[in-house]
Amino acid sequence: DAGVTQSPTHLIKTRGQHVTLRCSPISGHKSVSWYQQVLGQGPQFIFQYYEKEERGRGNFPDRFSARQFPNYSSELNVNALLLGDSALYLCASSFFQGFSSPLHFGNGTRLTVT
Amino acid sequence: AQKITQTQPGMFVQEKEAVTLDCTYDTSDPSYGLFWYKQPSSGEMIFLIYQGSYDQQNATEGRYSLNFQKARKSANLVISASQLGDSAMYFCAMRADNNDMRFGAGTRLTVKP
Repeated sequence: DAGVTQSPTHLIKTRGQHVTLRCSPISGHKSVSWYQQVLGQGPQFIFQYYEKEERGRGNFPDRFSARQFPNYSSELNVNALLLGDSALYLCASSFFQGFSSPLHFGNGTRLTVT
Repeated sequence: AQKITQTQPGMFVQEKEAVTLDCTYDTSDPSYGLFWYKQPSSGEMIFLIYQGSYDQQNATEGRYSLNFQKARKSANLVISASQLGDSAMYFCAMRADNNDMRFGAGTRLTVKP
């Protein structure tokens, strides 16, 4: 089975622009989470979706939004990009939402804002 | 609120020796899971091992074992017989029921030949 796939792998944007990152979960996984990882730090939680509903939101500004589609794939949107948004964006899926369910990560999208 | 603390920014270990990476956590939830992930320089996050809060025995997965001390709220990762390919960032993480997973700041492990 294919793992979590993310696209694109790399992206360069200019301040003020908008970006859309895409994620396809492992087949059968209904939960998708998004994380931001700045160089040298641990991943920071942005959003969690389960069964197409938002189930959690981290401490990120309203410029960040996401959605999950009927096929459980997901998009992360960031508006009005700032230099500080430069990071590795990780998508992860899990079979269910419980505490014993590990997250399985994609290889990430590396976003550079200039 | 959940909090994960990894106090070792970097660790060195000689090839074939064992190494322990420290992790402490804080939560008021009675039900939670503790996880360790490996992140090589290529960037992917690889799930290594899981320990549930109600598990009586320490988890083991091949050369990885988790030293779980619930009263002390610690969940240290032990890697036995270190290999050069073990050089990477290691993250401790926690997930409470119906909550998102939170990560520590990570420990960079370097295995010396």
